[in-house]
Amino acid sequence: KAGVTQTPRYLIKTRGQQVTLSCSPISGHRSVSWYQQTPGQGLQFLFEYFSETQRNKGNFPGRFSGRQFSNSRSEMNVSTLELGDSALYLCASSKVDSQETQYFGPGTRLLVL
Amino acid sequence: GDSVTQMEGPVTLSEEAFLTINCTYTATGYPSLFWYVQYPGEGLQLLLKATKADDKGSNKGFEATYRKETTSFHLEKGSVQVSDSAVYFCALAELSGNTPLVFGKGTRLSVIA
Repeated sequence: KAGVTQTPRYLIKTRGQQVTLSCSPISGHRSVSWYQQTPGQGLQFLFEYFSETQRNKGNFPGRFSGRQFSNSRSEMNVSTLELGDSALYLCASSKVDSQETQYFGPGTRLLVL
Repeated sequence: GDSVTQMEGPVTLSEEAFLTINCTYTATGYPSLFWYVQYPGEGLQLLLKATKADDKGSNKGFEATYRKETTSFHLEKGSVQVSDSAVYFCALAELSGNTPLVFGKGTRLSVIA
C-alpha cells in the first residue's frame, strides 16, 4: 500500500508570496492532519480535515488555511508569507480520527526569503 | 491542556550501549501513547504505540511500557546501532474529542561506532 505523499518536497518563496502544498493520504484514510515543524517550536498542529470538513484547528493565524477534496486529498495554503513560515510542513493521515495511528508523509520543506 | 515532556537531548551513545529516553505526559482523559522516529531529511515514522495501561509496545528492538501510575512511556533499547541515530518523539492522542496528536519536543540520539 502506498504511503502518504506530499508535493512538492522543497519550495523556495519570497516574503509576501503565497504557497499551496498538497498531500495525498494512504488509500482508505479519511482523516488528514497538517503539522508545522521548526527547530524552535517543534511540531505544532495546524488543522485536521475529515470528509471535506475542518474538524480541528490549531493556534495559527488566518493566513494558514486548508481544504480537503472528496477523494481525501488535502491542500494547505499560506498567504502573505513571512520569514517565520520557513519550516517543514508534515501531513499525516489516519483511517477515521486522530487517536488512531497517524502515518506521516516525508514533508514539504518551505524556505521563505 | 494535554502535554508531553521528554528528556532534553542530544543523547550520544556508543554502539551497543543501552538507551533510555524518558517521556512523561499530562492528559485529561485516557490517551493512546506513541513513539515516532525522524531520520535526517525525512518525515516521522511510527516506531511503537500502546493504547492502555501496562501495554508494552515494541518494534525493531525498542520497547516502551504504558505506566498510568507514573504517567510515563519511557523508550528503551538494549543495544543501539549507528543506524538508530535520529530524533525520537513521544506523543499522545486522547481517546475522545478528535483532539490532535500532542508531541514532545523530541530527543536527538547520536550513536557512534
